[in-house]
Amino acid sequence: DAGITQSPRHKVTETGTPVTLRCHQTENHRYMYWYRQDPGHGLRLIHYSYGVKDTDKGEVSDGYSVSRSKTEDFLLTLESATSSQTSVYFCAISEPRDASSGNTIYFGEGSWLTVV
Amino acid sequence: AQSVTQLGSHVSVSEGALVLLRCNYSSSVPPYLFWYVQYPNQGLQLLLKYTSAATLVKGINGFEAEFKKSETSFHLTKPSAHMSDAAEYFCAVYTMVGGSYIPTFGRGTSLIVHP
Repeated sequence: DAGITQSPRHKVTETGTPVTLRCHQTENHRYMYWYRQDPGHGLRLIHYSYGVKDTDKGEVSDGYSVSRSKTEDFLLTLESATSSQTSVYFCAISEPRDASSGNTIYFGEGSWLTVV
Repeated sequence: AQSVTQLGSHVSVSEGALVLLRCNYSSSVPPYLFWYVQYPNQGLQLLLKYTSAATLVKGINGFEAEFKKSETSFHLTKPSAHMSDAAEYFCAVYTMVGGSYIPTFGRGTSLIVHP
């Protein structure tokens, strides 16, 4: 199994508070991703990173920010949590040096976030 | 941009029956396709992936998928369902976004296996 650790695994927070989720990898993969999973929507990309301090937005990035100061860590911050951000958040990593290699995407175990 | 469509949010089969989960992609170039499985309260695990080496791809747990360019499909099959196959299944493809290859996932199909 790929070495990906997400923390916290479960969190309940109040509306309006900031929340930070952490993803830590031991695989030295260049790409890291944050997805949210909601019923009926599958996995939707929030933000991704293609290197230290290199990040970009995904399709559902509003209300979220990310940082990557080290290869192994990718932080997702909910600046002011809302009930619509109640979800399961997955971190993923890959090393797609080029698409022809079809490199596997590895997932963390998920972080369950409830905003009340 | 490439995308994937999974037909059927739920598929129900009897134990021992054929499993068929459908995935179609939209692309004009050969894609790189994946099937993932998610068991309850867990992350996603790779079942198999297509990387143009062979059109019929065999994966773990007896699953296989066939890439059909003419139909833009990559359906997942298993000859005989087991109770332990009950899970959520996701089809995925790499999409080019701003110079980066980003995995894009279908909405998922929940496989229900009846005794």
